[in-house]
Amino acid sequence: EIVLTQSPATLSLSPGERATLSCRASQSISSYLAWYQQKPGQAPRLLIYGASSRATGIPDRFSGGGSGTDFTLTISSLEPEDFAVYYCQQRSIWPLTFGGGTKVEIK
Amino acid sequence: EVQLLESGGGLVQPGGSLRLSCAASGFTFSTYVMSWVRQTPGKGLEWVSTINDGGDKIFYSDSVKGRFTISRDNSKNTVYLQMNSLRAEDTAVYYCAKNLQWSYFDYWGQGALVTVSS
Repeated sequence: EIVLTQSPATLSLSPGERATLSCRASQSISSYLAWYQQKPGQAPRLLIYGASSRATGIPDRFSGGGSGTDFTLTISSLEPEDFAVYYCQQRSIWPLTFGGGTKVEIK
Repeated sequence: EVQLLESGGGLVQPGGSLRLSCAASGFTFSTYVMSWVRQTPGKGLEWVSTINDGGDKIFYSDSVKGRFTISRDNSKNTVYLQMNSLRAEDTAVYYCAKNLQWSYFDYWGQGALVTVSS
C-alpha cells in the first residue's frame, strides 16, 4: 500500500498570502495524484488531478506540481473561502489511498 | 448538474447489516465508474470500493473485502453498498463518488452516517 504523508499538518496564513502544501508518496506514483479541498460539514471537492490538471470550475490560483514521490499544491493568493482542509490521493496502485490532510487556517 | 444522493445510513449493532444507496442524476450514469469512500474523525478519508460502468470489474479495500459488496443498477441510476458483519471501526460517514479517469473522484454526495454500536 502506498502511504501519502502530507506536511505541514497545519498552515497558519493570512488572506492574500501564498500557501504551499506538500504531499510525499512512499514510492513513485508518476503523476497519478489528486488534491481535494474539504470544508466543515461538506464533502471533499476535487481541485487537481494528474498532479497538475485543474478540475472543472477550479480557479487558477490553485496549481499543482511534482512527479514521482514529491508533490505540491500551491494557492497563489489565499481567499477567505480557501481556508479548509486539503487532502492528496494517489491512483497509481490499488488500494487507492489518501494523505492525512493539511489544515489551512487563518492566522 | 451532477447530483449524488446517499440514503440508508443509521445506527446498527456490531455484526449487523446495512445497505447504502446512492441515486445519481445529471450525467450518463451507465458510462461512469462509481465508488464509495468513507471518512472517520480518527482515520481521515479511506477508499472503500469501486465498480466499473458495466458492473463486472470491482475493487475493495482489504478492510472491507469479504464483508461489503458494491453493485449498481444502471436502469435506476443507482449504486449500492451492502455492508455485512459490521464492526465498530466501520463507523464513518460514507460518501458515494463519481469517478474521473477510473480512480479520481470528481463529484461526491453529501454523505451517509453509519454508526456501529451496541
